[in-house]
Order: sequence, then structure tokens, then C-alpha cells
Amino acid sequence: DAKTTQPNSMESNEEEPVHLPCNHSTISGTDYIHWYRQLPSQGPEYVIHGLTSNVNNRMASLAIAEDRKSSTLILHRATLRDAAVYYCILRDGGAWETSGSRLTFGEGTQLTVNP
Amino acid sequence: GAVVSQHPSRVICKSGTSVKIECRSLDFQATTMFWYRQFPKQSLMLMATSNEGSKATYEQGVEKDKFLINHASLTLSTLTVTSAHPEDSSFYICSARDNSPGYTFGSGTRLTVV
Repeated sequence: DAKTTQPNSMESNEEEPVHLPCNHSTISGTDYIHWYRQLPSQGPEYVIHGLTSNVNNRMASLAIAEDRKSSTLILHRATLRDAAVYYCILRDGGAWETSGSRLTFGEGTQLTVNP
Repeated sequence: GAVVSQHPSRVICKSGTSVKIECRSLDFQATTMFWYRQFPKQSLMLMATSNEGSKATYEQGVEKDKFLINHASLTLSTLTVTSAHPEDSSFYICSARDNSPGYTFGSGTRLTVV
């Protein structure tokens, strides 16, 4: 599985934008970039995913570098409820029907949101 | 959206007993489900992949005789921790492939073995 690298922790202030970086220099052409987040004592929650183009949804935006070796999750206005561990994960889109389609979690980034 | 229900949310059992954890896809059929384990302050570790109607595929280092996985229907997978010991105490999480973003997770089961 291609690896991702994220900062261990980041801090933000409430109602300010947050940019969470992720490096994935060994990404392959069929790898999708997924972001999940996990609140304490809960299962992970899907945030957003993309392949090549930038993506927006109601939760966040995903900016993908042109060479796809890095991406940034953008929370436009952080709230206290956004405090969580954010995971950037690569999923092999070419192996959907095999075990290669599983999600392998790294250490993620612990986001702290200050009131 | 897709929902995965995991039960129980918490369980305490005595050392040497077995515990079953259920994972149900409520509004979609899940041919593939995944089981993870998470120790405090650590990330999720994939234990096994279960496919409906066939044997589970276990990750390296996970004892298949200790962590029994059954995926007998398109909406239910179960994980049974057999002969549990205190070191098996952990947060167990299941997930299922759905049709949209791809993966929906259960809310997790906190297992404490005393």
C-alpha cells in the first residue's frame, strides 16, 4: 500500500480555515485519495475523496497537487465539533474487487480547535 | 446515507470467555466488510477482510482461530473473540463497502476483558 505522511498535530481557532496537508509521493495512477476523520470513541467518518481534480462537498474541500504527490484537506470554517483525528488514505481504485481495496490507516493528524 | 450498525457498543467479559460483535449494514448490501482494532492513542489496524459466503482473509499476525469472522449474509458480519484475555481489550471497529464514497464505519465496540 502506498504510504501517506501527515503532521502529528495541528491547531486552529474556531471559525478560521484549516489546511491539513498530506504527502503521498509514491501514489500510483489508480490510487484515490480519501480523507476520514475520527472523533474520540467513535468509528471513522468519511470526509471527502478525489482522484485528480479538486473536490468540494458540504464538509470540506480537497485540493490535489498537479503531480498528485500531495493533497490538502480544507475546512473552511473550523468549529469545535471538527476537533478529531484526520486520516489521509490512498485507496487502490484498480483493485476494488480484491483485498487491495481495503483502507490502511496511518497515524493521522490530531486537529485541536480552540474556542 | 449508508449506515453501519455495530453492536454492542461496550462489553465487559471475564478472561477465558468468548464475545461476539455484530456489524450490520442497514440500508445497503455489503459483500465486503472489514474489521479493525484500535488500541488507545493508536491508529486503526486492519485485522481481516470478510466476504459474504466465503472465508475471511486475515492480515499477517492476526490469529484466525482467536478472531472468528462470519459473513453469512449480505447485511451481517460477526467477529467473535474466543477465549478472551486482558490483552484483547481494545476498540473494535467494522466497516463496509457501500456504493458511494466506498466505506462506511460502525461506531465501534469497546471490549474490556477482566
